[in-house]
Amino acid sequence: GAVVSQHPSWVICKSGTSVKIECRSLDFQATTMFWYRQFPKQSLMLMATSNEGSKATYEQGVEKDKFLINHASLTLSTLTVTSAHPEDSSFYICSARDLGTAGELFFGEGSRLTVL
Amino acid sequence: KQEVTQIPAALSVPEGENLVLNCSFTDSAIYNLQWFRQDPGKGLTSLLLIQSSQREQTSGRLNASLDKSSGRSTLYIAASQPGDSATYLCAVTSHFNKFYFGSGTKLNVKP
Repeated sequence: GAVVSQHPSWVICKSGTSVKIECRSLDFQATTMFWYRQFPKQSLMLMATSNEGSKATYEQGVEKDKFLINHASLTLSTLTVTSAHPEDSSFYICSARDLGTAGELFFGEGSRLTVL
Repeated sequence: KQEVTQIPAALSVPEGENLVLNCSFTDSAIYNLQWFRQDPGKGLTSLLLIQSSQREQTSGRLNASLDKSSGRSTLYIAASQPGDSATYLCAVTSHFNKFYFGSGTKLNVKP
């Protein structure tokens, strides 16, 4: 099946710094990618929809200035957590929809962010 | 707004049992329904995708059914194995880029 690669898989940073997470579709083009956050023992929470060549669409309650999303190409979307704080510590997962397989969603392996 | 519910929240069975996981959704106007598996600390792995025009999909020991009119899907796992232990999530796509996840069923298959 299609592969979505996410990097880094885990990152530890100091409070106040910014962290960038990359999401790549390796063998298909994705005009749209999705970013989620997952808290322990909870399901995925959609944060935003990343649109290639245009602005991301954020879900209600998600700060767009806090979580910067860039989708510069058909295979790469990035999520930057700006001025990170301990409450931003979480598991972040991206996904992309492969139009070639009737819209099947494929997910990255996730990135665990710990803010000290 | 679409709401997706998964029952049971957790399930523990002995190895070899056949089991059924349930997913229900409130709006039958769906584009597709997808079942995923998530291992602890990992991303999601796609198991089966059912288009709105389909009734079921099969992959190995897995069989997923879809009944749009009643807003239900089931994931059937035959001859369960300890390696099947994971959290199983269903996701419904109502409009092309709007989809909703259930809260998952945590499965533990005991050797």
